Amino acid sequence: GQQLNQSPQSMFIQEGEDVSMNCTSSSIFNTWLWYKQDPGEGPVLLIALYKAGELTSNGRLTAQFGITRKDSFLNISASIPSDVGIYFCAGQGIDDKIIFGKGTRLHILP
Amino acid sequence: DADVTQTPRNRITKTGKRIMLECSQTKGHDRMYWYRQDPGLGLRLIYYSFDVKDINKGEISDGYSVSRQAQAKFSLSLESAIPNQTALYFCATSDFRTGTDTQYFGPGTRLTVL
Repeated sequence: GQQLNQSPQSMFIQEGEDVSMNCTSSSIFNTWLWYKQDPGEGPVLLIALYKAGELTSNGRLTAQFGITRKDSFLNISASIPSDVGIYFCAGQGIDDKIIFGKGTRLHILP
Repeated sequence: DADVTQTPRNRITKTGKRIMLECSQTKGHDRMYWYRQDPGLGLRLIYYSFDVKDINKGEISDGYSVSRQAQAKFSLSLESAIPNQTALYFCATSDFRTGTDTQYFGPGTRLTVL
């Protein structure tokens, strides 16, 4: 079946640094979604991408829908302590089913 | 008020007990989902429903059952809980009438089976 490979699994960065994470697949997707999960909470939608090549920003966050429709990346600029959490990508395939990556855990060092 | 609510938020139970987790939404969405989250495994789909009385198995449905008696409510049951069902459980909703399946999550239920 379809699978998403999300990397890296975890990141340790200094406050103020930029962050980049991505998801790739051998399958084509029609929608890419990026979520953030804070400890003890449910995932919250950050950015939704609906068209190949689309580049969308939400404050310091920027995500792109890869032109091949098989990948997506999320960038966070000038990280701050509240960016800590787990970031999930999700893709909606041509069968309309959504699958999730295993998450990237972001740690920020003071 | 939260759009997707889950009750209880935390539950500790014993092996063999029947447990029901409830999910309610005020978003008017047609689709609802139950996921399980374990450390390092991401979100795994248990069951999903596209409309009232519609039920579909997900990736890991064994040991679980669901009920969708109303559009706003989707309940998950563990008929006889076992320790490896200890996990975080999330309900999600989506409005496929928009043409996409963008999902919105509840706050989660932490279940511990002793």
